[in-house]
Amino acid sequence: GENVEQHPSTLSVQEGDSAVIKCTYSDSASNYFPWYKQELGKRPQLIIDIRSNVGEKKDQRIAVTLNKTAKHFSLHITETQPEDSAVYFCAAILSGSARQLTFGSGTQLTVLP
Amino acid sequence: DGGITQSPKYLFRKEGQNVTLSCEQNLNHDAMYWYRQDPGQGLRLIYYSQIVNDFQKGDIAEGYSVSREKKESFPLTVTSAQKNPTAFYLCASSLSGTGNDNEQFFGPGTRLTVL
Repeated sequence: GENVEQHPSTLSVQEGDSAVIKCTYSDSASNYFPWYKQELGKRPQLIIDIRSNVGEKKDQRIAVTLNKTAKHFSLHITETQPEDSAVYFCAAILSGSARQLTFGSGTQLTVLP
Repeated sequence: DGGITQSPKYLFRKEGQNVTLSCEQNLNHDAMYWYRQDPGQGLRLIYYSQIVNDFQKGDIAEGYSVSREKKESFPLTVTSAQKNPTAFYLCASSLSGTGNDNEQFFGPGTRLTVL
């Protein structure tokens, strides 16, 4: 069925290094791809999103890239800091889910000092 | 983080009991959502409502029920028909009821445990 695959499930990086999380989706009609960050014990919050009419979007140390042909999009965090440690979820709108957001399974990012 | 609240924060239920989780928002959002979060499975959509007095099933609606009598409120009832209800439940809202590409704002969640 239609879904959103997210990899890796866990990721550890040294402070200052870059982190990349990748998601693939199955619905070629998907046109909206948000990323949410959930810190331990807190609610998910939107950190960046991208629509299908652009290939890349940046916001300070965070960027998202989209490859519609290959049906994958990635979150890039540069110059990681300990406060970047959290669970990150990607999402996409899939036709089979009543055109609502379907979330990936999450990536636990740990930034080691 | 204000604007959307959930209560209670923790809830314990005996098998066979129905329980209702509260979700309230004062953001004047048209759309509201209920998700279930289990370890390693991300967020799964239970029900959503794009406008008052209307709601739709999500991917895992079996054993759950909702109502949307007021714009501000979207309570979720976990019935005894839900076979594995122990989970973390998140409510969310978004501005537009017709567009589905709007930012969703999440509540703090309710952790339900079945004893």
